[in-house]
Amino acid sequence: SAVISQKPSRDICQRGTSLTIQCQVDSQVTMMFWYRQQPGQSLTLIATANQGSEATYESGFVIDKFPISRPNLTFSTLTVSNMSPEDSSIYLCSVGQGEGTEAFFGQGTRLTVV
Amino acid sequence: AQTVTQSQPEMSVQEAETVTLSCTYDTSESDYYLFWYKQPPSRQMILVIRQEAYKQQNATENRFSVNFQKAAKSFSLKISDSQLGDAAMYFCAYRSARGKLIFGQGTELSVKP
Repeated sequence: SAVISQKPSRDICQRGTSLTIQCQVDSQVTMMFWYRQQPGQSLTLIATANQGSEATYESGFVIDKFPISRPNLTFSTLTVSNMSPEDSSIYLCSVGQGEGTEAFFGQGTRLTVV
Repeated sequence: AQTVTQSQPEMSVQEAETVTLSCTYDTSESDYYLFWYKQPPSRQMILVIRQEAYKQQNATENRFSVNFQKAAKSFSLKISDSQLGDAAMYFCAYRSARGKLIFGQGTELSVKP
């Protein structure tokens, strides 16, 4: 199984600012994903982070709001831009090694926007 | 598009008893994977059990087992000999061929001593 380190674990941010969340894996992985979990809700996929190319975003999520980088097979960042209170959520990084394999998750970043 | 539905927002079970959490899904794919994840208050997502759609045999992991009915698109989780540590939010998830996971709404399980 992969060990995933996600930073920061929590943050309180002012509206209008941006926060970058980091996801570091202890081994090379094929797939990396970013999810959002709004309070009391399930997980919703934001995007698939592609190594060396632009991320693939799900419906309702755009690159300008959630820019993603993946410079190599062990690291990715998600930025939440121009934040508003509606962005207050848990953001989770997830990795997988291929079709059908289970996804491993980071411990999540609890973001509160005030 | 694939969807996953968990119709039980909350469930409760007595310690040492058995409980079953329900999950149904909708897909036009023939090859896919199903998972149950547990999310305790720490918010860490923990894999409980997985099932390959091409396997008829139901998966089992110690006290956790599934009832996979492919034709009915049903994937329920049975927890036997429930323990206090089983209390958590449980999510059913579908993995498509592209690899992304689609989650159900979750079932919050409480365990009474």
